[in-house]
Amino acid sequence: GNSVTQMEGPVTLSEEAFLTINCTYTATGYPSLFWYVQYPGEGLQLLLKATKADDKGSNKGFEATYRKETTSFHLEKGSVQVSDSAVYFCALSDLPLNTGNQFYFGTGTSLTVIP
Amino acid sequence: DAGVIQSPRHEVTEMGQEVTLRCKPISGHDYLFWYRQTMMRGLELLIYFNNNVPIDDSGMPEDRFSAKMPNASFSTLKIQPSEPRDSAVYFCASSLQGSSYEQYFGPGTRLTVT
Repeated sequence: GNSVTQMEGPVTLSEEAFLTINCTYTATGYPSLFWYVQYPGEGLQLLLKATKADDKGSNKGFEATYRKETTSFHLEKGSVQVSDSAVYFCALSDLPLNTGNQFYFGTGTSLTVIP
Repeated sequence: DAGVIQSPRHEVTEMGQEVTLRCKPISGHDYLFWYRQTMMRGLELLIYFNNNVPIDDSGMPEDRFSAKMPNASFSTLKIQPSEPRDSAVYFCASSLQGSSYEQYFGPGTRLTVT
């Protein structure tokens, strides 16, 4: 079946530190992979995505590379800011075998960046 | 576009009362999802629709929960009767087939059942 496993938090970093949040997946087809971010009191927002192997998604200084050989999609940022404090969710959509467009979300990783 | 709209943003009700949550998806989107988020269980998919038809409701926790989508621009999630353990944030999301299926989330409804 399909599933996503991401590193448990919470993660606390100092401003300008390097960030890695690990995400691995299991899929029966050819999934698209996503990172969503949830700021306090808000809904989830799409941060970046990759639709095929070796694609790199990037946005706001964050990036993640779709690694089929290791079934991973780790989120990285070279220098975090206080404003990056949020909960980050890894997710997959099992295209093209998908007949229902269902997403599979990880459990979320809480990030706190301190000045 | 205004994005996914949910109402109310906050709902406080007493145990046993009926609760109705509302969602307006992004215009033109053909998939609609209802999720529940709690600290203990994380983000759970309750039900989703395609072209207003329910496709999978296996995540609906009990018969007390029901969802409808009478047209392409409106959906409701109803809990009757409500219980304290239903307290959570309920999100609605929509997506468009063929657009990498990325989902767009609403701001959520925070439900508190006392």
